[in-house]
Amino acid sequence: EVQLVESGGGLVPAGGSLRLSCAASGFPFRSYGMNWVRRAPGKGLEWVSYIHPNGISIYYADSVKGRFIISRDDPKDSLYLQMNSLRAEDTAFYYCARDSSLSGPRPTFFDYWGQGILVTVSS
Amino acid sequence: DIVVTQSPDSLAVSLGERATINCKSSQSVFYSSNNKNYLAWYQQKPGQPPKLLIYWASTRESGVPDRFSGSGSGTDFTLTISSLQAEDVAVYYCQQFYITPPLTFGGGTKVEI
Repeated sequence: EVQLVESGGGLVPAGGSLRLSCAASGFPFRSYGMNWVRRAPGKGLEWVSYIHPNGISIYYADSVKGRFIISRDDPKDSLYLQMNSLRAEDTAFYYCARDSSLSGPRPTFFDYWGQGILVTVSS
Repeated sequence: DIVVTQSPDSLAVSLGERATINCKSSQSVFYSSNNKNYLAWYQQKPGQPPKLLIYWASTRESGVPDRFSGSGSGTDFTLTISSLQAEDVAVYYCQQFYITPPLTFGGGTKVEI
């Protein structure tokens, strides 16, 4: 059974940093692209970032580019999101989501999601 | 970036009745070389993560009840729930993956009874 479990969320002051983790199990993690997607309170879904299985092709939404860093540790079956210079508008539930594509160069759609972790940025 | 727009924002449907959600992309998401529309639909129930329902605009994900169906091509798409059940109360999102990044979602449609 595919499982994705996020951790590392919490309350942080504006300008601060936080590192999210996602522990994966039940599938060959190193073979899949992975994403972070968020949902702010009262708003819709927003894609945040993607990392290819090669760990080199990485993409970000414009709203987080230059502030967030996605990474992966395949031996640990783990995905990370380092969030710096946090703003009030980054307050959201953050979801780790597996990309459906095994070999494509870019993100596609999401076939498995974690339960999500709440990040609250206080202004 | 491709902008994705959903309508309506919310709708109330009686149990057993049909629910129809519309999704429009600012440019075509149809790729003629493989005859596929690069569009997916998700369901998000309160307190739960999103769940993939449909991809390639009309392919139902394994385990999704057949009362859920997707249709459309190019820029206009529809998610239909043929006979609404109580457990279908949720917010539904469409998402394009034709031109990425960024992946873009519609604003969501809340379905209530």
